[in-house]
Amino acid sequence: SQQGEEDPQALSIQEGENATMNCSYKTSINNLQWYRQNSGRGLVHLILIRSNEREKHSGRLRVTLDTSKKSSSLLITASRAADTASYFCASGGSNYKLTFGKGTLLTVNP
Amino acid sequence: SQTIHQWPATLVQPVGSPLSLECTVEGTSNPNLYWYRQAAGRGLQLLFYSVGIGQISSEVPQNLSASRPQDRQFILSSKKLLLSDSGFYLCAWWGQANEKLFFGSGTQLSVL
Repeated sequence: SQQGEEDPQALSIQEGENATMNCSYKTSINNLQWYRQNSGRGLVHLILIRSNEREKHSGRLRVTLDTSKKSSSLLITASRAADTASYFCASGGSNYKLTFGKGTLLTVNP
Repeated sequence: SQTIHQWPATLVQPVGSPLSLECTVEGTSNPNLYWYRQAAGRGLQLLFYSVGIGQISSEVPQNLSASRPQDRQFILSSKKLLLSDSGFYLCAWWGQANEKLFFGSGTQLSVL
C-alpha cells in the first residue's frame, strides 16, 4: 500500500526560483529517500536521509526530516528548466523495500 | 559498473493475451529485484520482489506473476491480460552498499 503522500501534487515556478515539496509517511522508518522521474522514464535516486538525521544537502538539494511529524521536505534552490520532472519520496524500513508516494510534478518555466 | 536492462519499452496487447516482461541486471550478484507498476499520474505500487533465485514475494493479489529463473533475471508474466493491467512497469534492483533502488527505463503497457 502507498504510505507516502507528496504535497503539492503539482508545482509550477519560474527558472531561478526555489521549489519546495513535502512528503508525509505513516510508519516508522530507517531512512527516507527522494527520487526524480522524467516523463516516461525510470526513477533516479537523488538523496537519502536517515531517521537520525534532520537535514541533508547535496548540491542544490536540501532535504529535511521530522520524524515526530512523520514528514520530510525537498528544497531545490535556483531551479532550472532541466529540473522539470516528477519527484517522489520513498520511505524505507528494515526489509529492503521502499514505499513510494504519489509524487509532485514540478514544472520550471524558462 | 552495474546496469539494468528492461524491455520492451512499449507494448500494446489485446485483452486476454499473455504477457512476458523481462529485466536483467549486470555487474552485481545476488541482487534484490523488484517489479513496480505506475498508473498514469500516480505513484509506484510494489508488485513483486525477490531476494534470490526462485524466491518471489507478492505484495498485492492480482492477475500477474513473477519468476526469477537466474540470479540476475526477473520476469513479469500474465496468462491473460486485463484492461486494468495497463500501466508503466518498472524493474529495479537494490544497491546494498548505498541502500537505494536503481530503476530500469520502464515498459509502457497498453491493454486494449
